[in-house]
Amino acid sequence: SQQGEEDPQALSIQEGENATMNCSYKTSINNLQWYRQNSGRGLVHLILIRSNEREKHSGRLRVTLDTSKKSSSLLITASRAADTASYFCATDLGGANNLFFGTGTRLTVIP
Amino acid sequence: KAGVTQTPRYLIKTRGQQVTLSCSPISGHRSVSWYQQTPGQGLQFLFEYFSETQRNKGNFPGRFSGRQFSNSRSEMNVSTLELGDSALYLCASSPDRGSTDTQYFGPGTRLTVL
Repeated sequence: SQQGEEDPQALSIQEGENATMNCSYKTSINNLQWYRQNSGRGLVHLILIRSNEREKHSGRLRVTLDTSKKSSSLLITASRAADTASYFCATDLGGANNLFFGTGTRLTVIP
Repeated sequence: KAGVTQTPRYLIKTRGQQVTLSCSPISGHRSVSWYQQTPGQGLQFLFEYFSETQRNKGNFPGRFSGRQFSNSRSEMNVSTLELGDSALYLCASSPDRGSTDTQYFGPGTRLTVL
């Protein structure tokens, strides 16, 4: 079974708006990562946040992590049509290169 | 550096057959992990190989197996295919074992079992 659940399952916004996706997980983690997947293709790594970090930025991406609530959020600012994709959170429990993926959020950005 | 490559990209098999998928990691990466993605179960970890040894295994039946060669290339094999094995199979490489390493994914192999 999957470690994480993402919310919402699908999100549709206008170009230029911000998109926020949430991820909840079940067990203690070493780090949490966000990936993007375009239409059944491979996963592209977006950002990694360690368990001792609370917030991280990368370009138009902002990730927060609340280990007390076992949750994370991904904010994409000033969205573009090219951001249309599925976004997955993945938790690393530590010690091995196996990730536990969430259910994903399907983001559609309307031009 | 070239990215992770997977061959073949698409494959159609019939029930009962077996299949072998190949993954070439990024040059210098020694860890290769395999994942299965289906609409129903999402992304699930299959196994990880490091230095030619399976280090970690997900909750999949013994029909799913793999190996890694001395050049870090990896193959996974599925025997006695079932309809439910239809999925996108992704491999990912990372430089080393260690929980802070980013995994780099290949484009996947789309397997259809008829």
